[in-house]
Amino acid sequence: AQTVTQSQPEMSVQEAETVTLSCTYDTSESDYYLFWYKQPPSRQMILVIRQEAYKQQNATENRFSVNFQKAAKSFSLKISDSQLGDAAMYFCASSQGGSEKLVFGKGTKLTVNP
Amino acid sequence: NAGVMQNPRHLVRRRGQEARLRCSPMKGHSHVYWYRQLPEEGLKFMVYLQKENIIDESGMPKERFSAEFPKEGPSILRIQQVVRGDSAAYFCASSPQSDPLWSYNSPLHFGNGTRLTVT
Repeated sequence: AQTVTQSQPEMSVQEAETVTLSCTYDTSESDYYLFWYKQPPSRQMILVIRQEAYKQQNATENRFSVNFQKAAKSFSLKISDSQLGDAAMYFCASSQGGSEKLVFGKGTKLTVNP
Repeated sequence: NAGVMQNPRHLVRRRGQEARLRCSPMKGHSHVYWYRQLPEEGLKFMVYLQKENIIDESGMPKERFSAEFPKEGPSILRIQQVVRGDSAAYFCASSPQSDPLWSYNSPLHFGNGTRLTVT
C-alpha cells in the first residue's frame, strides 16, 4: 500500500523569503504521480503542482517548484518569494499510474509572517 | 463554468440520524470521487463512481455508508445512524474521464467540502 509522510506539522516563513516543505512516500509501483495541494481556510483543495514519476525534470509552476528525488522517494515543495496568500495547509499526495485514488499525507500548516 | 458544488456546507446531526451529502460535479464531468478528512488528518479516499455505477468503494466503511451517482442529479453520500466518529469534512471531486491523471489539466477538481458534525 502507498503511504505519504509529511514530517513537519507546522512551518513558518517571512514574507518574500523561501520555504521548503518536506514529503516522503512509499510505493511499490513504477508508474505514479505526485502532487502538492493547498487548502486555505475556505477548505477548498487547490492543486499547486504535480510531478510524473517517469520525468526526471523537476516540475515548476511560477513561484512553486519541487525537488523530486525518486531513489530517495522524496518530493519536497519549495515556495519562493512567499506571499501572505500562501498561508494554508499543504498536502502532499501520491497516486498510482492509471488510478484515481490519491493517498494524502497529514499536511503541513504554513504560516507567512509579514 | 461552475466548479464542483457540494451542499450543505455544514451539517449537524444527532447520533442515530441520517446524513445526506450532495455533490454536483463540474459540467461535463461524469466521474465522482468522495474523500473524508478527519480532524488533523489528510484526505482519505472513500469511493469512486461513474453515472449509475460504483467503480471502486474500497475506502468505504462496510456498514452505514452508501453512495450513488444517478443518471440525473447529484451524487449522494449517505451515512445512516451517524456516530460521533463520523464527524469530519467530506470532499467530493470530479473529473471528465476515466483516467484523469493523463489529462494535461488538473486531475481532480475538488469541491469545498461538507463539514459534518455529530452531536
